[in-house]
Amino acid sequence: EVQLVESGGGLVQPGRSLRLSCAASGFTFDDYAMHWVRQAPGKGLEWVSGISWNSGSIGYADSVKGRFTISRDNAKNSLYLQMNSLRAEDTALYYCAKDRGRFLEWLEYWGQGTLVTVSS
Amino acid sequence: DIQMTQSPSSLSASVGDRVTITCQASQDISNYLNWYQQKPGKAPKLLIYDASNLETGVPSRFSGSGSGTDFTFTISSLQPEDIATYYCQQYDNLPRLTFGGGTKVEIK
Repeated sequence: EVQLVESGGGLVQPGRSLRLSCAASGFTFDDYAMHWVRQAPGKGLEWVSGISWNSGSIGYADSVKGRFTISRDNAKNSLYLQMNSLRAEDTALYYCAKDRGRFLEWLEYWGQGTLVTVSS
Repeated sequence: DIQMTQSPSSLSASVGDRVTITCQASQDISNYLNWYQQKPGKAPKLLIYDASNLETGVPSRFSGSGSGTDFTFTISSLQPEDIATYYCQQYDNLPRLTFGGGTKVEIK
């Protein structure tokens, strides 16, 4: 059974940093692309970032480019999102999601999310 | 960047009704279009991939069609358990993905 467990969320002041983690199990992690998707309270889904199976292809939404960095450790079956210069508008539930293949296509399985609140 | 415009943003229909949601891309995305269902308080779930392919285990009352810039998602007979928000998502403009704004489906 595919399991994706996010962690690292919390309350952080504007301008500070936070690192999210996603622990994956139940599949061969290094065979699949992975994504981060966020959802602000009461709002729709926003794709944040994605990384291919070997980290050779990485993409970011314009809203986070230059501030967020996605990475993966295939030896640890883990996905990360380093979030710097956080803003109030980054407040959201952050989901980790598994792609159906090695490249960025669609989100086959989702975790339950970790909440990030940016506020002073 | 490719923009995805979903309509309507919300709808109310009766049990047994046929429900249709549209998604329009700002440029040709071939069939690189997926649909998700998100029930309240839950993570999204993939329903349809590549515009018209039903994900394994998804009821056949759900369907999708379209190519290029115009896509349609249909629930042939609305059931109470279908109350959710539905999203389209494109993957033509790699390495970026984009979601539509969502359509909230309620029971009348």
